[in-house]
Amino acid sequence: GAVVSQHPSWVICKSGTSVKIECRSLDFQATTMFWYRQFPKQSLMLMATSNEGSKATYEQGVEKDKFLINHASLTLSTLTVTSAHPEDSSFYICSAPVWGTGTQYFGPGTRLLVL
Amino acid sequence: GQQLNQSPQSMFIQEGEDVSMNCTSSSIFNTWLWYKQDPGEGPVLLIALYKAGELTSNGRLTAQFGITRKDSFLNISASIPSDVGIYFCAGGNSGNTPLVFGKGTRLSVIA
Repeated sequence: GAVVSQHPSWVICKSGTSVKIECRSLDFQATTMFWYRQFPKQSLMLMATSNEGSKATYEQGVEKDKFLINHASLTLSTLTVTSAHPEDSSFYICSAPVWGTGTQYFGPGTRLLVL
Repeated sequence: GQQLNQSPQSMFIQEGEDVSMNCTSSSIFNTWLWYKQDPGEGPVLLIALYKAGELTSNGRLTAQFGITRKDSFLNISASIPSDVGIYFCAGGNSGNTPLVFGKGTRLSVIA
């Protein structure tokens, strides 16, 4: 199947710093990517839809100024958690759909711990 | 947002037993997907279903796309310890739209 990578796989930072997470589709192009957040023992919660060449679409309750998304190319989307606080600690996962199939492939996730 | 009804929430089974889990929706989907997630990892696609009534196998896994396009099931035969994990169903439509997920089925296999 298609491969999606994420970097870094885990990050620990101090409160108030910004953290950037990259999501790459390695063997296919993705004009759209999705960013999810997952709390322990819960399902994935969609945060935003990242669109190449245009603004991201955020789900209700997700602060766009807090979670900056940039879809710089057809294979790369980045999520920046700005001025991170301990409550932002979570598991962040991206996915990329294969156009026309309805199939999506997920990255391995990034665990963020804000101290 | 919308969420699929996935059951059971959790299962404890003996190694070698068969497992069945299912998802239902109030909406029609063009695609049903089944993923497995191990702790600390992203979900891995197990089976993708694209046509109502379709029955697809992947090794010991078998999944079906319900004829009404509002449900799907996943069966695992002869379970082994590495089947442990959380299984998610997801409904989708062609194009770049977000998937709708079930809450997951946590599978534990007792050796």
